[in-house]
Amino acid sequence: RKEVEQDPGPFNVPEGATVAFNCTYSNSASQSFFWYRQDCRKEPKLLMSVYSSGNEDGRFTAQLNRASQYISLLIRDSKLSDSATYLCVVKSMDTGRRALTFGSGTRLQVQP
Amino acid sequence: DADVTQTPRNRITKTGKRIMLECSQTKGHDRMYWYRQDPGLGLRLIYYSFDVKDINKGEISDGYSVSRQAQAKFSLSLESAIPNQTALYFCATSENYEQYFGPGTRLTVT
Repeated sequence: RKEVEQDPGPFNVPEGATVAFNCTYSNSASQSFFWYRQDCRKEPKLLMSVYSSGNEDGRFTAQLNRASQYISLLIRDSKLSDSATYLCVVKSMDTGRRALTFGSGTRLQVQP
Repeated sequence: DADVTQTPRNRITKTGKRIMLECSQTKGHDRMYWYRQDPGLGLRLIYYSFDVKDINKGEISDGYSVSRQAQAKFSLSLESAIPNQTALYFCATSENYEQYFGPGTRLTVT
């Protein structure tokens, strides 16, 4: 089982739609959680951190459910420029693993 | 200028050749990483370094080696390239939790 699992998509949605991505993680020692965005053939960039209480940044809302080991990202009022792959990222502090673990990503295509 | 640079950006090489991928950063970060990205597998950590004297294997270090020549430079070597090392390679740096990635090196081993 992968340590971080995501639905690969693609999610094809019209402009203005609301879309949600989910991610599950298997390591209960995971401490920090993030969403990164990766445009086609480009490097990943941090979109937002995910806090226990949930957090919002403009049209983007991230939530964490530690009991179910589940993270979500909600995008409201989708724009064409939101088309990208969204990577769920988990940080653990286990011995020897002081690094990030990336999901394989969920691809979003927003259509006019 | 970009904060994290990688050279070369694209490389085609033959099986058995030695190849080095280079990474430089101007962010002043101590932590540097090498990842590879394959379709459907996401980013996987090859090696990471928390300072010049600290080198650690990641989850897929076999067939690779690294050198941290200075705080700003971290190079990845494939001693004898094989076709299944064909992938997109990213270097990254971090200070706290955010990682800053270079533009990537697309490596093809024929």
